[in-house]
Amino acid sequence: AQTVTQSQPEMSVQEAETVTLSCTYDTSESDYYLFWYKQPPSRQMILVIRQEAYKQQNATENRFSVNFQKAAKSFSLKISDSQLGDAAMYFCAYRISYMFSGGYNKLIFGAGTRLAVHP
Amino acid sequence: DTAVSQTPKYLVTQMGNDKSIKCEQNLGHDTMYWYKQDSKKFLKIMFSYNNKELIINETVPNRFSPKSPDKAHLNLHINSLELGDSAVYFCASSQDPSGENYGYTFGSGTRLTVV
Repeated sequence: AQTVTQSQPEMSVQEAETVTLSCTYDTSESDYYLFWYKQPPSRQMILVIRQEAYKQQNATENRFSVNFQKAAKSFSLKISDSQLGDAAMYFCAYRISYMFSGGYNKLIFGAGTRLAVHP
Repeated sequence: DTAVSQTPKYLVTQMGNDKSIKCEQNLGHDTMYWYKQDSKKFLKIMFSYNNKELIINETVPNRFSPKSPDKAHLNLHINSLELGDSAVYFCASSQDPSGENYGYTFGSGTRLTVV
């Protein structure tokens, strides 16, 4: 069964510094998608970044980038120049596709990492 | 314009009651989902619908009954509410479940408290 593990329940970073959040996953599939979602205190789930497994190039979105290591099944999120507004829960997620069931899918989430940003 | 909207945002009710949560998306997405976030913030899928058809039912008690009158709406009805049902329920939608447009959009969640 596919699983997603976030081994850091809590992390903290100073404003303007860089922080890396870890995520590992377990799967026997070769094609899949990975996501990082941010959940601030407002509770809204906000897509931060996504990565296709067949792409070797790491995805980047402004200050957010990933280090995707397919062989190691690792998908870490790096936040550069951290801002106070980055404080939130961050969830790593894996998209499983039931390709033989009409291609339907679901997201499997990790337990989350709470990120605190200190001024 | 809210892409995925849920109502109500907060719901407090007594054990044994029946309640519904409504969800609507204006993105034209084919697939809609219900996810549950428990008190430890763990998120897990409950149901998915594609064009009004139930695709995924993740061993959810049959007190939970989703209904999709059209592909823009997916409502969640819960019968005989129990204390353990207290959680945040998220509605979500996605475009083509098997294609390249694999993004998910979430609603803002409904915090259900059963007392």
